[in-house]
Amino acid sequence: ELVLTQSPGTLSLSPGEGATLSCRASQNVYNNYIAWYQQKPGQAPSLLIYHASTRATGIPDKFSGSGSGTDFTLTITTLAPEDFAVYYCQHYNDSPCAFGQGTKVEIK
Amino acid sequence: DVQLLQSGGGLVQPGGSLRLSCTASGFTLTSRGMGWVRQAPGQGLDWVSSISASATTTNYASTYYADSVKGRFTISRDTSKNTLYLQMNSLRAEDTAVYYCAKYSYGSGTLAPFDYWGQGTLVTVSS
Repeated sequence: ELVLTQSPGTLSLSPGEGATLSCRASQNVYNNYIAWYQQKPGQAPSLLIYHASTRATGIPDKFSGSGSGTDFTLTITTLAPEDFAVYYCQHYNDSPCAFGQGTKVEIK
Repeated sequence: DVQLLQSGGGLVQPGGSLRLSCTASGFTLTSRGMGWVRQAPGQGLDWVSSISASATTTNYASTYYADSVKGRFTISRDTSKNTLYLQMNSLRAEDTAVYYCAKYSYGSGTLAPFDYWGQGTLVTVSS
């Protein structure tokens, strides 16, 4: 079973800075079937990126995804107050799908 | 516009049962697969179950379950009501979580990301 490990667990940054979040898979993710979600407190997750690098509808280009194989990255440029949240990666190339444990991006 | 409206949930004793509902609008459950994802208090996201869209010739939908709920939970749908269900039996304390229904973004199977989510409903298993 494919396991996703996200790092770091918490990222403390100031508004205006950039963020780099990592998602490592325990085995190759075929077709780069990796998605990234953002979750704010008390809200459902929302889809940011799929197929490792394709932005979902309405997602600004400050969010970008990259990677292939077992190593994937979510990059957020110029953090705005509304970007401070928890981010999850997910693989969907097999059933069961699975989520990483999340990276919290908090205000420093 | 796509919307997923959840109902059900609440407090139940260990060993008890509960049924969650998720009524969809803006698309039909026969066109897209659906899933349930839960989140224990202060924890991450945990996939629970999924159901594919129907095969056009047989109306048959495939179902999938996490090992932790297999044999206790049942995913189903009523296409006439465009509503997804999760029947939860033999509930345990570790099933306590917010449960979300979610729509697969493309295709008729379950190999896709979730593009729309319900508002979530809290299930608390406690005596």
